Amino acid sequence: GAVVSQHPSWVICKSGTSVKIECRSLDFQATTMFWYRQFPKQSLMLMATSNEGSKATYEQGVEKDKFLINHASLTLSTLTVTSAHPEDSSFYICSARQALSNQPQHFGDGTRLSIL
Amino acid sequence: AQTVTQSQPEMSVQEAETVTLSCTYDTSESDYYLFWYKQPPSRQMILVIRQEAYKQQNATENRFSVNFQKAAKSFSLKISDSQLGDAAMYFCAGGNRDDKIIFGKGTRLHILP
Repeated sequence: GAVVSQHPSWVICKSGTSVKIECRSLDFQATTMFWYRQFPKQSLMLMATSNEGSKATYEQGVEKDKFLINHASLTLSTLTVTSAHPEDSSFYICSARQALSNQPQHFGDGTRLSIL
Repeated sequence: AQTVTQSQPEMSVQEAETVTLSCTYDTSESDYYLFWYKQPPSRQMILVIRQEAYKQQNATENRFSVNFQKAAKSFSLKISDSQLGDAAMYFCAGGNRDDKIIFGKGTRLHILP
């Protein structure tokens, strides 16, 4: 089946640093990737939709300059949390849609981000 | 779906028994999908079942089945012969064919041995 790999699975860093999270579709081409954020004991909230070769579409309330999304190829999207602060600590999950397919989105295993 | 509502924050069921998780939704789309996802403690999102809105027949996957009531905008999940491994957070979700998925707040399911 289709596999989405997310890296790293867990990262701890100091406040003020930038952190990059990668989302890769390993065995299919993903024209669209989605980035979600999940706080403890809460649901997944969509942050942005990433389309290959174009600018990401951000949901209302999500800071574009804070959460930089790049989707430069059909198999890779990256989320960079810039100047991270403790309130950015969360679980980030990506998903990917296979191009020209009726298949549902495939989810990565998520990244736990802890900002000290 | 534009909104998805799960009114049961937690539920418990005895092992081997049947449990039904409720979900309602609202959408202005005519072509959409509804989903149930399972999220165990590992936090991996596992697709349990998917229903296409234009199909009248309820989707089933082994012990998991849905009751899709389109007019009532209801989409409940029935788990038969509950097993300890079914314990997890269950999210109802909806979206159209090409777009984002909206998730409900989730129902935490406990399986009692």
